[in-house]
Amino acid sequence: DAGITQSPRHKVTETGTPVTLRCHQTENHRYMYWYRQDPGHGLRLIHYSYGVKDTDKGEVSDGYSVSRSKTEDFLLTLESATSSQTSVYFCAISDRGGSPLHFGNGTRLTVT
Amino acid sequence: AQTVTQSQPEMSVQEAETVTLSCTYDTSESDYYLFWYKQPPSRQMILVIRQEAYKQQNATENRFSVNFQKAAKSFSLKISDSQLGDAAMYFCAQSAQGAQKLVFGQGTRLTINP
Repeated sequence: DAGITQSPRHKVTETGTPVTLRCHQTENHRYMYWYRQDPGHGLRLIHYSYGVKDTDKGEVSDGYSVSRSKTEDFLLTLESATSSQTSVYFCAISDRGGSPLHFGNGTRLTVT
Repeated sequence: AQTVTQSQPEMSVQEAETVTLSCTYDTSESDYYLFWYKQPPSRQMILVIRQEAYKQQNATENRFSVNFQKAAKSFSLKISDSQLGDAAMYFCAQSAQGAQKLVFGQGTRLTINP
């Protein structure tokens, strides 16, 4: 299995608080992604990175920011969490275009 | 923009029988990749099969095979000899050549009846 670790595994937070989710990889892959999974929507891309300090927006990026200061770490931040951001968040990695994505085990975030 | 559509929210099949999950997509690219992922209750995302659009031959992986119809933009997954462990959510996904992003369909929940 690809070495991808997401932390925390579960989190409950209150509306308006900042939240940071962490993704750590040991595969030295260039590309890293954050997706959210919601019933009826499948997985939707939030942000992705194609190198250290190189990031771009996905289709549902509003309310989220990311940072990648090292190849192995990709952070997703919710500056001020809202109930609509209650979801399961997946990190994924790949080494080149057309390669399958390898996923972490997901973080279940609940915003109350 | 790329879109992927799975029109069957739920499917069920008897153990040992064959089931086909549907997927259609829309892209303006001529070269791209298609994937099926499985998500069991553990929530883990598992790659089932991958198809390169420039290859005419349908991909197969043991009991899993695809019917890739490029002109129709259709990419269905056939599971033969269904087993209880095949019960999961199945997601179809597409990425364009040179693009690093996967676009996913809404998913199909597959139930296997013993």
